[in-house]
Amino acid sequence: AQKITQTQPGMFVQEKEAVTLDCTYDTSDQSYGLFWYKQPSSGEMIFLIYQGSYDEQNATEGRYSLNFQKARKSANLVISASQLGDSAMYFCAIRRDKIIFGKGTRLHILP
Amino acid sequence: DVKVTQSSRYLVKRTGEKVFLECVQDMDHENMFWYRQDPGLGLRLIYFSYDVKMKEKGDIPEGYSVSREKKERFSLILESASTNQTSMYLCASSSRTAQGNTIYFGEGSWLTVV
Repeated sequence: AQKITQTQPGMFVQEKEAVTLDCTYDTSDQSYGLFWYKQPSSGEMIFLIYQGSYDEQNATEGRYSLNFQKARKSANLVISASQLGDSAMYFCAIRRDKIIFGKGTRLHILP
Repeated sequence: DVKVTQSSRYLVKRTGEKVFLECVQDMDHENMFWYRQDPGLGLRLIYFSYDVKMKEKGDIPEGYSVSREKKERFSLILESASTNQTSMYLCASSSRTAQGNTIYFGEGSWLTVV
C-alpha cells in the first residue's frame, strides 16, 4: 500500500525567505510518480511539480524545486524567495495506479 | 483548454436523500477519481476508474458508489446521505499513458447534509 506523510500541519514564513515543505512516502513499488499541488483559499488544485522515481535529476519549475531523496523516500518541496501569494495549502501525492495524497501543510507567508 | 467540470458547486441535501455528484472531463482521459477533502485529513480517495464500466474502491468507499457509463463522465452516488458525508468532493482525471501526466481537478463540490 502507498502512504504519504506530511509532518507539518502549518508553517509561518517571512516573505522572500525560502521554504521547505516536508513529504515522506512509503511504497513497495519501483516505478511511481510524486506530485505537489497547491490549493489556495478558492479551493482549486494547482499542479506545481512532478518527479518520477527513475528521474535522476531533481525536478524544478520556476521557483519550485523538488528535493528527491529516493533512499530516504523523501520528496520535499522547496519554494525559493517566497511571495505573499504562496500562502495556501500544499499537498504531496504519490501515484502508482491510484493517487494518494498527504494531509497537507498550510503555509502562511508573512509580509 | 483542458477541463474537468463538476456539475454542482454547492449542494444542501437532507439526511437519507440519494445524492448524485457528476463529473465530466473533455481530455479523453482513461483515469478518473473521486476524493473528499476534510480539514486535517487532506484528500482521501473514495473510488477511481480506469475505463468505462470499470471501478475500484479507494480508501473510504463506504456509503458511496460510482458509475462510469461513458469515458468522459464519472458519477459519485451517495445512496442515503448522512451528516458525516458533509464535505468537499473533488473529481480528477488523468491519462493512463504516462506516469508523469498531470492530474487535472475539478473545482470541487461543497456538499452539506442536514
